Amino acid sequence: KAGVTQTPRYLIKTRGQQVTLSCSPISGHRSVSWYQQTPGQGLQFLFEYFSETQRNKGNFPGRFSGRQFSNSRSEMNVSTLELGDSALYLCASSLGTRHLGSETQYFGPGTRLLVL
Amino acid sequence: DAKTTQPPSMDCAEGRAANLPCNHSTISGNEYVYWYRQIHSQGPQYIIHGLKNNETNEMASLIITEDRKSSTLILPHATLRDTAVYYCIVRVGIDDMRFGAGTRLTVKP
Repeated sequence: KAGVTQTPRYLIKTRGQQVTLSCSPISGHRSVSWYQQTPGQGLQFLFEYFSETQRNKGNFPGRFSGRQFSNSRSEMNVSTLELGDSALYLCASSLGTRHLGSETQYFGPGTRLLVL
Repeated sequence: DAKTTQPPSMDCAEGRAANLPCNHSTISGNEYVYWYRQIHSQGPQYIIHGLKNNETNEMASLIITEDRKSSTLILPHATLRDTAVYYCIVRVGIDDMRFGAGTRLTVKP
């Protein structure tokens, strides 16, 4: 099976702009989660989507939003970019059939966003 | 804050077993132990996970102590490509995935 794919891989934006990142999960996976990784804060959970509905949300401002389509593909949007939004944005997918600790998440390669 | 403690760095000779320890003394009964690794800021790669019993797959073995307060990831024959940051995580749900600083493993020729 193909792994999780993310596009684009690299992105440069300026403050105030908005950005949309895309994630295609592993075939058959219905849960997609987004994470932000920075050297200072480590990996932080943004939100999780399952069956086109946001099921969990981390502690990020409303500028960070997402959605999931009927084919389980997901997009994440960040509006009014700030310098501190520069990070590696990771998408991870899982089956989503059980919301338990035994369900493994598989990560994509990430999108590296640089905000100037 | 991460619920695990790992040494910041370790070295291992190529071809030898790499044993990476992890302390999770506050683990609760329904939390699983997961191991991921990350190479050159790529996406984290899943390695193995377990609840109580020791586990083995094609990549590694996971040894969990009987009281579940610590675990060890074993890479049986380390290669140069195993050089990476290894993360030990304990979690219940998907929103519980918190990576600490991890262990930077360097495999040397």
